[in-house]
Amino acid sequence: DQQVKQNSPSLSVQEGRISILNCDYTNSMFDYFLWYKKYPAEGPTFLISISSIKDKNEDGRFTVFLNKSAKHLSLHIVPSQPGDSAVYFCAASVGYYGGATNKLIFGTGTLLAIQP
Amino acid sequence: DVKVTQSSRYLVKRTGEKVFLECVQDMDHENMFWYRQDPGLGLRLIYFSYDVKMKEKGDIPEGYSVSREKKERFSLILESASTNQTSMYLCASSPRTGGFYEQYFGPGTRLTVT
Repeated sequence: DQQVKQNSPSLSVQEGRISILNCDYTNSMFDYFLWYKKYPAEGPTFLISISSIKDKNEDGRFTVFLNKSAKHLSLHIVPSQPGDSAVYFCAASVGYYGGATNKLIFGTGTLLAIQP
Repeated sequence: DVKVTQSSRYLVKRTGEKVFLECVQDMDHENMFWYRQDPGLGLRLIYFSYDVKMKEKGDIPEGYSVSREKKERFSLILESASTNQTSMYLCASSPRTGGFYEQYFGPGTRLTVT
């Protein structure tokens, strides 16, 4: 049972335009969400996160939006750059407000390709 | 900078062999994790450890075991490798004290079992 789903395996966006990556989850107990970026032959690197008490978090060109009623989060990248081409994973966790293990549930990933 | 290192980038083993994958982190993190990444399946948690000599099963522990004798080192063991364990294996670590911290990943080990 996939608790965190990324329904688009791939996405192609023109350089300079907005990239929107989507993620849906089923477990209403999740209270912390993260996005990771992964280049081939490298480990994932943390990009941005959001806790369930917020609906938006921004960091430079990256913004994450959380819609708890829809159990949906999205990552916006504006403007998109060639170096953004990578696989993006969303992840969710229970326990931000009192957990101990920092265990994450990952989605299946979306391959983002930025076209020049 | 947090550094998580994995003993091999690429590994080829034969069916039935015992395989050890080693992971070392240099940031004194309490939590360590082993994942495998497969196309279309994302990252799936095999085992994790929140302290020395402590371990807990993740979502897909079958066919694997782990060892954590020292805080900085977390080993994944394939007792008898099978072809369906061909995958990318990723180790991660995170601190445990106070709040929530992202996990830091190593570069991965691409294991092929023939």
